Amino acid sequence: LAKTTQPISMDSYEGQEVNITCSHNNIATNDYITWYQQFPSQGPRFIIQGYKTKVTNEVASLFIPADRKSSTLSLPRVSLSDTAVYYCLVGGSGTYKYIFGTGTRLKVLA
Amino acid sequence: NAGVMQNPRHLVRRRGQEARLRCSPMKGHSHVYWYRQLPEEGLKFMVYLQKENIIDESGMPKERFSAEFPKEGPSILRIQQVVRGDSAAYFCASSPDIAGLYNEQFFGPGTRLTVL
Repeated sequence: LAKTTQPISMDSYEGQEVNITCSHNNIATNDYITWYQQFPSQGPRFIIQGYKTKVTNEVASLFIPADRKSSTLSLPRVSLSDTAVYYCLVGGSGTYKYIFGTGTRLKVLA
Repeated sequence: NAGVMQNPRHLVRRRGQEARLRCSPMKGHSHVYWYRQLPEEGLKFMVYLQKENIIDESGMPKERFSAEFPKEGPSILRIQQVVRGDSAAYFCASSPDIAGLYNEQFFGPGTRLTVL
């Protein structure tokens, strides 16, 4: 399973775009990149998943360069309620043993 | 469609007692996963179960911990003779098929176990 590296914490202000980058140098050919969000005292919640290039949904965008050794989660116009821990996970079909690192603790300030 | 249910949400036990944590997966989901989260850390995989079968328990301590997912009823994570180091949040997740590509795991709210 590919190891991931993310910044430990980030601060942002309301209304700004936030980009969180994850490094996964040992990503395998069949691996996908998945991001989860966790609020205090809650379980993680799926945000977005992608394999290459760009994926966008109603919550976020995920940018993956051609070499796939990193990925960037982009949160447009964050609000105070986006304060949470964000986890980057890498794995392929049938990867059920999710590996959560320490994640990135995002704090959105007023 | 109700999400993954866990109960109790908070559980306090004294050292040496038993803790039973329950997880009801989402409707239609037959795959259940248990994770443990210590304060300020990420979730750590413990065990993966399908109905009546333990598929992978490689993350679960060999002693005092056990898990089951019977044909009827919720999945149970059981911790015997709890110690202070067992204090953590325990999360259950479920998926309709083996999690991975396109089959994300849906997490419950967790049970916070405190051992006095």
